[in-house]
Amino acid sequence: EIVLTQSPGTLSLSPGERATLSCRASQSVSSTYLDWYQQKPGQAPRLLIYGASNRAAGFPDRFSGSGSGTDFTLTISRLEPEDFAVYYCQQYGSSPLTFGGGTRVEIK
Amino acid sequence: EVQLVESGGGLVQPGGSLRLSCVASGFTFSSYWMSWVRQAPGKGLEWVASIKQDGSEKHYVDSVKGRFTISRDNAQNSLYLQMNSLRAEDTAVYYCATSVDTAMGRWFDPWGQGTLVTVSS
Repeated sequence: EIVLTQSPGTLSLSPGERATLSCRASQSVSSTYLDWYQQKPGQAPRLLIYGASNRAAGFPDRFSGSGSGTDFTLTISRLEPEDFAVYYCQQYGSSPLTFGGGTRVEIK
Repeated sequence: EVQLVESGGGLVQPGGSLRLSCVASGFTFSSYWMSWVRQAPGKGLEWVASIKQDGSEKHYVDSVKGRFTISRDNAQNSLYLQMNSLRAEDTAVYYCATSVDTAMGRWFDPWGQGTLVTVSS
C-alpha cells in the first residue's frame, strides 16, 4: 500500500499570502494518478487538481500542482478567504488507492 | 446538472446491517466506474470500494472485505453498499463518487453530499 504523508498538518496564513502544501509518497507514484481535493466544513470533497498539475473546472489559476515520483506540491499563490479549507492528496494508480491525511489551511 | 444523492444512513447497533443507496443524474451512469469513500468524524478520507461499469469487477479496502458488498443497477442509475457485521470503526460519512478514468489520469468527480452511518449501542 502506498502511504501518502501530507505536511504540514495545519498551515496558518493570512489572506494574500502564498500557501505551499506537500504530499510525499512512500513509493513512486505516476504523476498521471496523483490528485488533490479541497474540502470545506460540512461539504463533500471537490476535485481540485488531477494528474498532478491539471486544474479542475471552476478553480482559478492561483491554484497549481507540481511534482513527480514521491514528492508533490500544491501551491496557492495568493490566498483568498474562500480558500481556507482542508486539502487532500490521493493516488489512484496503485491498489488500494489511498489518500493523504490532509492539510488544513486556516486563517492566521 | 450532474448530481449524486446518497441515502440510507442512520444509527445501527454493532453487528447490524445497513444498505446505502446513491442515485445519479445528469450523466451516463453506466459509462463509469463508481466508488464509495468514507470519512470518520473529524478524520481524513478512506476509499472503501469500487465497481466496474457492468458490475463484473469489484474492489474493496481490506478492512471491509467479506462484510461490505458494492453493487449497481444501471437501469435505475443507482449504486449500493450493503454493509453487514458493522463495527464502531465503520462510523463515518459515506460518500458516493464517480470514478473517472481517462488518458489524463484517474480521479473522483463528482461526489455526493454524503450519508452518515453511526454504529453504536
